[in-house]
Formats: sequence, C-alpha cells, structure tokens
Amino acid sequence: DGGITQSPKYLFRKEGQNVTLSCEQNLNHDAMYWYRQDPGQGLRLIYYSQIVNDFQKGDIAEGYSVSREKKESFPLTVTSAQKNPTAFYLCASSISRDGYTFGSGTRLTVV
Amino acid sequence: KQEVTQIPAALSVPEGENLVLNCSFTDSAIYNLQWFRQDPGKGLTSLLLIQSSQREQTSGRLNASLDKSSGRSTLYIAASQPGDSATYLCAVRVKAAGNKLTFGGGTRVLVKP
Repeated sequence: DGGITQSPKYLFRKEGQNVTLSCEQNLNHDAMYWYRQDPGQGLRLIYYSQIVNDFQKGDIAEGYSVSREKKESFPLTVTSAQKNPTAFYLCASSISRDGYTFGSGTRLTVV
Repeated sequence: KQEVTQIPAALSVPEGENLVLNCSFTDSAIYNLQWFRQDPGKGLTSLLLIQSSQREQTSGRLNASLDKSSGRSTLYIAASQPGDSATYLCAVRVKAAGNKLTFGGGTRVLVKP
C-alpha cells in the first residue's frame, strides 16, 4: 500500500536537545511538507520541498531544519533554538496540483 | 494572503440529522479545495478533492460544493452517524509561489446517539 510513514509516533525531548522526526513516502510524489499543529491554532507550514535537494521555509521555520537528499524522505530536525517545540507534527506529500496525502503524525513533548 | 475560515467552530447534532459544514476563502486564485477529517491524536484523512474547474464532488454520504467566485465551499454529510464525530478541515491550494495548502481552523463535530 502506498502512503506516508512518520516515526516515531511519540517523541520526548530534553531542554537543549536536537531531535529528528522521520517522514518517508512511497507514493512517488515530488513535493513534501511539514506542518505543526497546536490546539486552537490550526495547521501551520514549517518547511516544504518541491524537488530533491531543494526546500523552502514556510511560515514558522525558525528553530527547525530539513533535508531532502532522496525523493522518498524529508526528515525534520527540531533544534534547541525552537523555544516551544511541544506540538503535533504532520508530514504530507503531493504531486503537481493534486491533493495532499498526510502521515499519521508525531507528537513531540519537551520534558 | 489567502485566509480560510470555517464556521461554526463546533457543532453538535443528533444521529440521523444532515450535517452542513461551511468553508470560506478570500482569494479565488486556487487550484483546488480539499476536505479532510481528523480524529483526536491522528493524522488527516482526505475526504474529497474539488478542482477549481469543478462545482462539486460526491463520495457516498459526502457531497462537497465549490463556488470559487464567492469563495465558498460546503461539505454535506447525509444521515449523520456517531462515527462521523471528528474535526473536519478544509484547505485550499493557492496559485501563489509554492502551490501551498492553506487550512481553515476546522469544525469539531459531535454526533449524539
């Protein structure tokens, strides 16, 4: 079955620690996206990539970094510069002007 | 900048009643509009995708309309069931740089048995 796999499902981060969230797709989609979801604030775009080795900042990129070395993979690193990282993170992919497909999400908590 | 609004923010109906969820957007220069369902703690499941040239899409008990000129879409769910309880999100794919998806805040639906 084609789809998007996000891992881990739950992640705990200590103060000052960098953590990486994984996103893999086997849909052969060119574009991939990272969104952050907070209660009462809806989904906000962090980073997106339309082709391999290229990516752009979204609306809330500060404190995050990404890479796109392979078409199938778009990992998101939450750095220590992100002061309020506790949130639900969603990865998505799409092709051309078609609809988006989302993963099941990673819940990140600062401990 | 594209803004997407969903009203109401929450809705409670008895089982069997038809659901009507509204979505409005400010810029009609879109490629498509997509309706999603989200259960608590889960990812987004795509329900319907309406291209900008289309007026409506149907899937089972779900029907979504699109009026691009007025910046409105409506999702109808016929004969609601308790399993329809979830948050419903609409999103538009804008023609601006990056073809990004802009989301509304969602409507939280509760269908009471």
